[in-house]
Formats: sequence, structure tokens, C-alpha cells
Amino acid sequence: KAGVTQTPRYLIKTRGQQVTLSCSPISGHRSVSWYQQTPGQGLQFLFEYFSETQRNKGNFPGRFSGRQFSNSRSEMNVSTLELGDSALYLCASSGGQTKPYEQYFGPGTRLTVT
Amino acid sequence: GQNIDQPTEMTATEGAIVQINCTYQTSGFNGLFWYQQHAGEAPTFLSYNVLDGLEEKGRFSSFLSRSKGYSYLLLKELQMKDSASYLCAVGGGGGADGLTFGKGTHLIIQP
Repeated sequence: KAGVTQTPRYLIKTRGQQVTLSCSPISGHRSVSWYQQTPGQGLQFLFEYFSETQRNKGNFPGRFSGRQFSNSRSEMNVSTLELGDSALYLCASSGGQTKPYEQYFGPGTRLTVT
Repeated sequence: GQNIDQPTEMTATEGAIVQINCTYQTSGFNGLFWYQQHAGEAPTFLSYNVLDGLEEKGRFSSFLSRSKGYSYLLLKELQMKDSASYLCAVGGGGGADGLTFGKGTHLIIQP
């Protein structure tokens, strides 16, 4: 079974621009969560989508948004990029039949804002 | 809100046993998770506890005391490949809530 995939793996953007990241969950998983990881703050929860609906949201500004499609693939968007948005963005899928609570992480997208 | 504390760094010897502690204060609780993350890689799931007690899985065991807001991860027969960061996280047991992670414990294994 293929794992969680994220594209692109690396991205360099300029302050003020916007960016869209993509995540394809494990086949059969309906929940996708997004996290931001930085050396200073560690892993922080952004939001979770289940069946195309945002089910939970972390404490991030409205510049961070996401969506989920009918095939469970998810995208997150960051508008008006700031230097502090430079981070590793991870998505995780869950909802498997045998272990619905277990989250499987993708390799991440490394975003650098200059 | 949720607060999760774990030591920043620990050092242990190959072949030995190490215990990584995690304490948490949360407004809600629906499960405690441990993840392993090697440098430059994504976190990988190690264990999940929702009831008090010890869960054993090979060389790794995880313990939970909900009344004390305390968990530990026990690693036995340490190998060099166990050098990694270990992340404690609290969240929804059914995947309904996002996970709140601690800052992670960087474990260094020495020969």
C-alpha cells in the first residue's frame, strides 16, 4: 500500500506571495491533518479534514487555509507569506479500518520564504 | 489549552535501557501517542495509549497514568539506529482531533 505523498518536496517563495501544498493520503484513509514543524516551536497542528469538511483547527492565522477533495486528497494554502512561515509542512492521514487513530505522516514539504 | 513537557535531550549507551518521560496538562484528553523522528525524516508512529497501564511492542513500551497526566516511553536493548527525536503527543483517540505535540526528546545513543 502506498504511503502518504506530498508535493512539492521543496519550495522557495518570496515574502508576500502565496503557496499551495498538496497531500495524497493512504488509500482508504479519509482524514488528513496538516502540521507545521519549526526548530523553535516543534510540531504544531494546523487543521484536520474529514470527508471534505474541516473538523478541527489549530491556532494559526486566517492566512492558512485548506481543503479536501472527494478523493480525500488535500491541499493547504498560505497567503501573504511571511519569513516566519519558513518551515517543514507535514500532512498525516488516518482512518484506517484496523487502527483509525494511527496517523501516518508524509515526507513533508520544506518551504523557505525569503 | 494543552501543555506537554518532555526532556530536551537524553544520552544512553548501546544495549542499555532508557525511559523518556512526558507530562501533560490538557483541557481534554483522548489518547497519548509516541512518535519517532529521525533527522530529516517524517515522524513514524510508535505507540498509542488511551487507558492506564503499559503497552508493550517489541523493544518499545509505553505507559500511561491519566490521573497523573504522565506517560513514558521505554526503549530496551538500545541500538545505534534508535538515535532520533521522540515526540509525545496528546489528541483524539479516533482521529477526530489534531495532535498536540511536545517539543520532542533528542536521544543520543553512544557505543
